[in-house]
Amino acid sequence: EADIYQTPRYLVIGTGKKITLECSQTMGHDKMYWYQQDPGMELHLIHYSYGVNSTEKGDLSSESTVSRIRTEHFPLTLESARPSHTSQYLCASSEYKTSGRNTGELFFGEGSRLTVL
Amino acid sequence: KNQVEQSPQSLIILEGKNCTLQCNYTVSPFSNLRWYKQDTGRGPVSLTIMTFSENTKSNGRYTATLDADTKQSSLHITASQLSDSASYICVVSDRGSTLGRLYFGRGTQLTVWP
Repeated sequence: EADIYQTPRYLVIGTGKKITLECSQTMGHDKMYWYQQDPGMELHLIHYSYGVNSTEKGDLSSESTVSRIRTEHFPLTLESARPSHTSQYLCASSEYKTSGRNTGELFFGEGSRLTVL
Repeated sequence: KNQVEQSPQSLIILEGKNCTLQCNYTVSPFSNLRWYKQDTGRGPVSLTIMTFSENTKSNGRYTATLDADTKQSSLHITASQLSDSASYICVVSDRGSTLGRLYFGRGTQLTVWP
């Protein structure tokens, strides 16, 4: 099983609250990602990181922010949650090899289901 | 436009039966194709990864095929079990950058009935 953990698994909060979704992996992977997934829809990349102090925005515009101060930790923060932020948020990690065959296999966490009232 | 299309959208089969899920893609240049299984409320779990040179790969009762010429892949599940009920997601990676961009399908929702 993959060693990547997300907390909380479920969160229900009111509009305007600040929230942080935690993601940690113990595999020493350099690359980490945050995806957003709505029911019946494909995963959309919202943030990714190549390594410590590296963060990039993904394909889907998001009002959330991320940080990568430690290799194993990639938290996602919403400063002021709104009902439109209600979704499933999935964290993932993969190895980054500069040479050789790289399958880039993704390992996903269990997800954080966010509901904003 | 790079896309990944999966069919059928949903499928119901009886326990013990076989089934095949389809994935068509237009991603180019192609790097690899992956199949993931996602249980309800959980994160996706990798089943297989295939590169351009591989046309079949098995993982237990799951067998994936790839035809890079027609840009089609299938996932065949043999002797289905109740635990196979899940969403199966096809993901294609391109070679447009060093790390490759991933294109996700919407998944096929499989339900196995006893």
